[in-house]
Amino acid sequence: AQSVAQPEDQVNVAEGNPLTVKCTYSVSGNPYLFWYVQYPNRGLQFLLKYITGDNLVKGSYGFEAEFNKSQTSFHLKKPSALVSDSALYFCAVRVYNRDDKIIFGKGTRLHILP
Amino acid sequence: DAGVIQSPRHEVTEMGQEVTLRCKPISGHDYLFWYRQTMMRGLELLIYFNNNVPIDDSGMPEDRFSAKMPNASFSTLKIQPSEPRDSAVYFCASSEGSGAATEAFFGQGTRLTVV
Repeated sequence: AQSVAQPEDQVNVAEGNPLTVKCTYSVSGNPYLFWYVQYPNRGLQFLLKYITGDNLVKGSYGFEAEFNKSQTSFHLKKPSALVSDSALYFCAVRVYNRDDKIIFGKGTRLHILP
Repeated sequence: DAGVIQSPRHEVTEMGQEVTLRCKPISGHDYLFWYRQTMMRGLELLIYFNNNVPIDDSGMPEDRFSAKMPNASFSTLKIQPSEPRDSAVYFCASSEGSGAATEAFFGQGTRLTVV
């Protein structure tokens, strides 16, 4: 069965510093990986995805993520954090030609300190 | 397109009552997902449909929960009878069917409170 782990419930970063939100996955088959962000009282918004090709993918709001097949990881990164990046971040996985469902991690709350 | 539309946004009901949550997916999307979000359990997949057919309902917690998709533009999630532990935010999401490489688009959610 496929699964996603986000090992940190919360990450605190000072404004202007680089940030990393961690994600590891477990699937049988080729994964498609996604990051979403959720602001208070809102639905989830898509940030970026890895399908194939370049291991470093770029997305919205200056975020990027690095796919590492050997470590089965897909960490979210940003070179310089903004206070407005404070939100709940979800990693998700989908496996092509299996059951096609999308499984999410439990989420990581990111606090950017001014 | 207006995106995925869910109604109502908020629902407060008494224990034992029937609750129906509604979802209109993005036009042309072949997949529809229902998720439940709680502090304790995060975002759980309840059920999903492909071309209006339920594919996997293994996440539905109990027989009190049921979901239907009578056509490509409408789905319901029903809880009967409702219990306080069903209190959560319920999200509907849809995605295109062109392989699994497509991301899902989420509605704003329905916040359900069962008292």
